[in-house]
Amino acid sequence: TQLLEQSPQFLSIQEGENLTVYCNSSSVFSSLQWYRQEPGEGPVLLVTVVTGGEVKKLKRLTFQFGDARKDSSLHITAAQPGDTGLYLCAAPKGGSNYKLTFGKGTLLTVNP
Amino acid sequence: NAGVTQTPKFRVLKTGQSMTLLCAQDMNHEYMYWYRQDPGMGLRLIHYSVGEGTTAKGEVPDGYNVSRLKKQNFLLGLESAAPSQTSVYFCASSSSSPQFFGPGTRLTVL
Repeated sequence: TQLLEQSPQFLSIQEGENLTVYCNSSSVFSSLQWYRQEPGEGPVLLVTVVTGGEVKKLKRLTFQFGDARKDSSLHITAAQPGDTGLYLCAAPKGGSNYKLTFGKGTLLTVNP
Repeated sequence: NAGVTQTPKFRVLKTGQSMTLLCAQDMNHEYMYWYRQDPGMGLRLIHYSVGEGTTAKGEVPDGYNVSRLKKQNFLLGLESAAPSQTSVYFCASSSSSPQFFGPGTRLTVL
């Protein structure tokens, strides 16, 4: 079973703080995706990382794929209330490129 | 371009009742999925489809049935609802990866 462990499970911070959330596995993945889910909505893709060691930036969000392609991190600089949401990592499951296994997510609350 | 839409948004059922959730996508995607999301459990795949006329079981298929008669639609049925099926249901579609999600249906079974 391919498991994606996300940490922390919950994170509550003040506006302007920096934070990092993690997605770890014992399995090697061909790629990894990060989604953000806002309250009452479905998950929306933020980024896909493919290459070991890859770093992608999306405004104040920095995503890194581990060298061994077993883990990933999401760093947010100067968090804003609009960053509030559930951050999910996901990876291809069982050798397919269309079925995904999801982590349980990190629920981030950014307080004004 | 509406993306993935789901109807209804909310529904309350009594134990034993049946209902169908409808998912529609306008992106011409081959793959479609039904997930349920429960606190502490994450997103769990119920059923999926790799093309019109096909369906397959996911991780938690018991108590649910699906049909994909048209490429753009994927229906999820509950024949006899149970309180354990209280959840938020998400439909998604993809051409491969990534997946695009609908806004969800919040179902309560009393």
